[in-house]
Amino acid sequence: AQKVTQAQTEISVVEKEDVTLDCVYETRDTTYYLFWYKQPPSGELVFLIRRNSFDEQNEISGRYSWNFQKSTSSFNFTITASQVVDSAVYFCALGGWSGGSNYKLTFGKGTLLTVNP
Amino acid sequence: DGGITQSPKYLFRKEGQNVTLSCEQNLNHDAMYWYRQDPGQGLRLIYYSQIVNDFQKGDIAEGYSVSREKKESFPLTVTSAQKNPTAFYLCASSSRGGYTFGSGTRLTVV
Repeated sequence: AQKVTQAQTEISVVEKEDVTLDCVYETRDTTYYLFWYKQPPSGELVFLIRRNSFDEQNEISGRYSWNFQKSTSSFNFTITASQVVDSAVYFCALGGWSGGSNYKLTFGKGTLLTVNP
Repeated sequence: DGGITQSPKYLFRKEGQNVTLSCEQNLNHDAMYWYRQDPGQGLRLIYYSQIVNDFQKGDIAEGYSVSREKKESFPLTVTSAQKNPTAFYLCASSSRGGYTFGSGTRLTVV
């Protein structure tokens, strides 16, 4: 069974602080994808990143960076110099595709990030 | 542009009535999914379908039903057997590890 754990339920920071959102996953599949989504108050899910299980390179996109470590089954997300607009719920998810089958996407419970001015 | 359309955005129903939520995609994706989200909670899988005319129960299927008669459509019916139907419902589709989500339907049962 697949499982995603986001241990931090809520995080509150002051603007310009760096913040890291933790994600730990469990799967027996050798091929899988890891995702991060942002959910603003309007409710839609905003796709942030997809990482293939065979690609452990860290990625940076502007103020966002992701650290994927297969050895610890973790896929952490860091926001550098946080801004008020970063306030949202962030979800880590595990899914994928193999042999013609699309995996169901399993979500963590999410982390509510509040960035205060 | 390709995407997923969920309608309506807000839905109100009286307790005891069945209600059907629409989900249509024009991405030619084989797989489709329904998730439920409660306030302060993550997304839980209700039903999913890998191909037309086939679907499987997710983690919280009780009180829900689906159909997949066309590749583009995966409607979800919330039946009167669902004890706490008030929630935010998200539909998604996927192909080759890429997932697309609709904008959701907020269902309120009074």
